[in-house]
Amino acid sequence: AQKITQTQPGMFVQEKEAVTLDCTYDTSDPSYGLFWYKQPSSGEMIFLIYQGSYDQQNATEGRYSLNFQKARKSANLVISASQLGDSAMYFCAMVRGVIKAAGNKLTFGGGTRVLVKP
Amino acid sequence: DTGVSQDPRHKITKRGQNVTFRCDPISEHNRLYWYRQTLGQGPEFLTYFQNEAQLEKSRLLSDRFSAERPKGSFSTLEIQRTEQGDSAMYLCASSLGSQREKLFFGSGTQLSVL
Repeated sequence: AQKITQTQPGMFVQEKEAVTLDCTYDTSDPSYGLFWYKQPSSGEMIFLIYQGSYDQQNATEGRYSLNFQKARKSANLVISASQLGDSAMYFCAMVRGVIKAAGNKLTFGGGTRVLVKP
Repeated sequence: DTGVSQDPRHKITKRGQNVTFRCDPISEHNRLYWYRQTLGQGPEFLTYFQNEAQLEKSRLLSDRFSAERPKGSFSTLEIQRTEQGDSAMYLCASSLGSQREKLFFGSGTQLSVL
C-alpha cells in the first residue's frame, strides 16, 4: 500500500520569500511518480510539478521546484518568490508505476494550507 | 472554456434521495477519473474509465454508487439512497493517458446530505 504524509497542516509565508512544503511517502514499488497539486478556494486541483522515481534531476516548473530525496523518501515542494495568489491548499500525491497502462490512480496526502502575507 | 466541467457545482439533498452528477472531460482525453474529497482531507480515488470502459473501482464505491461513461465522452456519477456520510466534494479529472500522466481536474460538485 502507498501512503503520503504531509506533516504541516498550515503555514504563513511573507510575500516574495521562498517556502518549502514537506512531503514524505511510503511505497514498496520500485517505480512511481510524485505530483504536487494546488487547490485554491474555487476547488479546482491545479497541477504544479511531476517527478518520476527514475528521474536523475530534480523537477522544476517556473517558480516551483521539487527537492527529491529518494533514499529518504521525501519530495518537498519549494515555491520561490511567493505571491499573494499562491495562498491555497497544496497536496502531494503519488502514482504507482510510470507506465501508462497503470492508469493514474493518485494517492493524496492530507494537504498543507499556505497563506501568503503582504 | 476547454477545461473539465462539472455540473452542478453544489447539490443539497435529503437523506434517502438519489443524486446524479455530470462531468465533461477535455475533449481529446481518453481517461476519466472520479475522486471524493471530504473536508480537510486529500481527494480519494473512486473509479476511472478508459474511453467507455470502467477499468477500476475503489472499495469506497459501495453498491449505492454507479458511474457510467457512455460513448467515451461525458460521465455521470449516481448515488442512490444518499446518506449523510456521502457529503463531500466529488471531483472529476481527465487525462491523455501518456507516460507522465497529468490529470486535469474540474472544480467539483459539493454534495450536502441533510
